Amino acid sequence: DAGVTQSPTHLIKTRGQQVTLRCSPISGHKSVSWYQQVLGQGPQFIFQYYEKEERGRGNFPDRFSARQFPNYSSELNVNALLLGDSALYLCASIPVGASTDTQYFGPGTRLTVL
Amino acid sequence: KNEVEQSPQNLTAQEGEFITINCSYSVGISALHWLQQHPGGGIVSLFMLSSGKKKHGRLIATINIQEKHSSLHITASHPRDSAVYICAAASYNTDKLIFGTGTRLQVFP
Repeated sequence: DAGVTQSPTHLIKTRGQQVTLRCSPISGHKSVSWYQQVLGQGPQFIFQYYEKEERGRGNFPDRFSARQFPNYSSELNVNALLLGDSALYLCASIPVGASTDTQYFGPGTRLTVL
Repeated sequence: KNEVEQSPQNLTAQEGEFITINCSYSVGISALHWLQQHPGGGIVSLFMLSSGKKKHGRLIATINIQEKHSSLHITASHPRDSAVYICAAASYNTDKLIFGTGTRLQVFP
């Protein structure tokens, strides 16, 4: 079975541009969470989706949006990029999305905003 | 003050030493996760605890719910244990994970 996959691996954008990051969860998992990890800090929760519905949202501006598709894959969109959006974006695959579920992390997408 | 605090921030050890990493949290939790992050970013889930103690190989995780404190122990440390160890509290109210800033461990041969 494939693990959690994320694409692209690395991405360089300029300020003001828009970016779409993709995540495919483990087969059979119905929930995906997105996290932002700025260099030297712990991850910060952005969104959780379960069965295509937003289940939770962290303290991020409306420039950040996400969605989950019928096959449970997910996209994270960030509009009007700022330098401070440079970070590692992590996707976690969760069986049913409960807080007591083990989360399986993807390798991340490293976004650099110039 | 962060809702999840870890100590120490950095830790160096000689191979074979016993390692302890501490995590304190101030929120009500349904579970406490310990994660390992290697250079390059990959994160692996080590433990998920809601009470007591869990052991996997040379790793032991404990939690004291009353004191809102958890520890991760590594026995007979090895250079391959070198990584960042992160604790994350699953908030009882919001169901989301709140992460500590991590403990960077380096084990030298």
